[in-house]
Amino acid sequence: GIQVEQSPPDLILQEGANSTLRCNFSDSVNNLQWFHQNPWGQLINLFYIPSGTKQNGRLSATTVATERYSLLYISSSQTTDSGVYFCAVAVSGGSYIPTFGRGTSLIVHP
Amino acid sequence: KAGVTQTPRYLIKTRGQQVTLSCSPISGHRSVSWYQQTPGQGLQFLFEYFSETQRNKGNFPGRFSGRQFSNSRSEMNVSTLELGDSALYLCASSVGGMRETQYFGPGTRLLVL
Repeated sequence: GIQVEQSPPDLILQEGANSTLRCNFSDSVNNLQWFHQNPWGQLINLFYIPSGTKQNGRLSATTVATERYSLLYISSSQTTDSGVYFCAVAVSGGSYIPTFGRGTSLIVHP
Repeated sequence: KAGVTQTPRYLIKTRGQQVTLSCSPISGHRSVSWYQQTPGQGLQFLFEYFSETQRNKGNFPGRFSGRQFSNSRSEMNVSTLELGDSALYLCASSVGGMRETQYFGPGTRLLVL
């Protein structure tokens, strides 16, 4: 099956810093999503971004499907950004069966 | 609008038993998807239901099943529980499917002893 690797596995920042999280995948996909799970376990769907760039406030994401990677940018990080960020990909086709990466654990210190 | 609700929030079962988890989606959402999260395997997709039909299914044994009712509420059932089924089970709802923004419930934490 498709392999999804996220880097870095862990990230520690001071409030106000910027960061880039990366998601690499092994096969051609036409579905990619980013999620954030806060320290209390609540999961939030950040972006559906099979290609191109999207922005939502301080967060933006870029997917280059032909090169099999996606990037999540967090600018001016806040303590509420802490948690684990997951990407999930699904291969082309009629069905949608996402495969998740192991996540990047982010801690933002005040 | 009320968010996605899951019941029960916590559950303890013993090996061999069966369990049913419930998910109530956001009003107007027709798609409900289920996920399993464990420390060892991470997040894994179980299945998606849309308008009472299973539309997508992950790679889980037949002991894992689900259904969706006409009001879009969904249940998942795990029969013959194994220790490895201990996990956080998350459901998410969306208007039209998993390619749209999904809204997650707080999860049901299942412990199998």
